[in-house]
Amino acid sequence: KNEVEQSPQNLTAQEGEFITINCSYSVGISALHWLQQHPGGGIVSLFMLSSGKKKHGRLIATINIQEKHSSLHITASHPRDSAVYICAVNTDKLIFGTGTRLQVFP
Amino acid sequence: DAGVIQSPRHEVTEMGQEVTLRCKPISGHNSLFWYRQTMMRGLELLIYFNNNVPIDDSGMPEDRFSAKMPNASFSTLKIQPSEPRDSAVYFCASSLGTSGRSGTETQYFGPGTRLLVL
Repeated sequence: KNEVEQSPQNLTAQEGEFITINCSYSVGISALHWLQQHPGGGIVSLFMLSSGKKKHGRLIATINIQEKHSSLHITASHPRDSAVYICAVNTDKLIFGTGTRLQVFP
Repeated sequence: DAGVIQSPRHEVTEMGQEVTLRCKPISGHNSLFWYRQTMMRGLELLIYFNNNVPIDDSGMPEDRFSAKMPNASFSTLKIQPSEPRDSAVYFCASSLGTSGRSGTETQYFGPGTRLLVL
């Protein structure tokens, strides 16, 4: 069993829809990262969090340490949000999930 | 700021050849990470430097892989000899490195080097 599980693996949405991507982990962590990988391959760090919630524009990330679960939400989704979203947890090093491929259609 | 710079962006080589990937971290960042991304295994941490010193190389696959950081502004990842299964995208990332613990700071990724070993 992978230490970091993401769901769903693939997600399609219509422009404007509210998106939720989930990440569950089975190890003790000091931080959790959400990364975005664009179709061209570049990786951008979206959030790093160890508790509670963070918001940046239309993106919101939450984490529940007790339940070992994090969610990434996208409000009013747009085609430019189409990317692979990767969850990574920090134990003594970063362990990555396999990613969620999101496609938003106009 | 130019961000993390990697070179080359693409590399095609033949099995058995030596491959050297290069990375320039963001100025002022003290931590540097090398990652490998494949379809089968996703993103994996290969090695992590802090203040030019290798802290964790447990992800380096085997002796064919080596990494150096001779100064704060330059790092190399070398594969010798290369094999087809080394084909992947190799990312370099850097972070401030003030926390003393990898993974507890935002990391800034380079554009990656796409390696194809024939």
